[in-house]
Amino acid sequence: SQTIHQWPATLVQPVGSPLSLECTVEGTSNPNLYWYRQAAGRGLQLLFYSVGIGQISSEVPQNLSASRPQDRQFILSSKKLLLSDSGFYLCAWSTGTGRFFGPGTRLTVL
Amino acid sequence: QKEVEQDPGPLSVPEGAIVSLNCTYSNSAFQYFMWYRQYSRKGPELLMYTYSSGNKEDGRFTAQVDKSSKYISLFIRDSQPSDSATYLCAMSANTGNQFYFGTGTSLTVIP
Repeated sequence: SQTIHQWPATLVQPVGSPLSLECTVEGTSNPNLYWYRQAAGRGLQLLFYSVGIGQISSEVPQNLSASRPQDRQFILSSKKLLLSDSGFYLCAWSTGTGRFFGPGTRLTVL
Repeated sequence: QKEVEQDPGPLSVPEGAIVSLNCTYSNSAFQYFMWYRQYSRKGPELLMYTYSSGNKEDGRFTAQVDKSSKYISLFIRDSQPSDSATYLCAMSANTGNQFYFGTGTSLTVIP
């Protein structure tokens, strides 16, 4: 069966610091991968998606970036965090019959 | 107008009650409809997946789609305290990358 991992689970970072969140998927090949941000009361915001290694599409212009160095690895990065980057970050994968989410990373920027 | 509208609640019901959760949408091209359950501080979990109109039942859960009214529902029978969570609806026109999520309805089932 497929499993999706995210780490770290929680993160507290100062404004202006860099960020790296990692997501890996097991049990499937060539999945579509997604990064979402969930802010309280605002639903799920799609940030990036990837249909293959090195292929990244950005949905929302911001100071975040994403990379897919391996088939089942998806990384979310920032060079300098802003206060507004705080939120719950979710990685997801899709087979086309649904979207499956990881456990999430709660990021607090102070 | 938002693509998907969902009443945020909160909704509070006694144990054993029948719960009805709903979403409306504006895009008549939507064909795939999903319900997710999200416990506090956890990722959303796919509960129900429905294609086009009709009903789908899985245990105590029934998903209903009315495309003519652009309205979807999730019914929970014999609700349990463990059903306390936020429920999100989601939908798409195809199996591609554009999914539209509701903002979620917070449900509490009181023992």
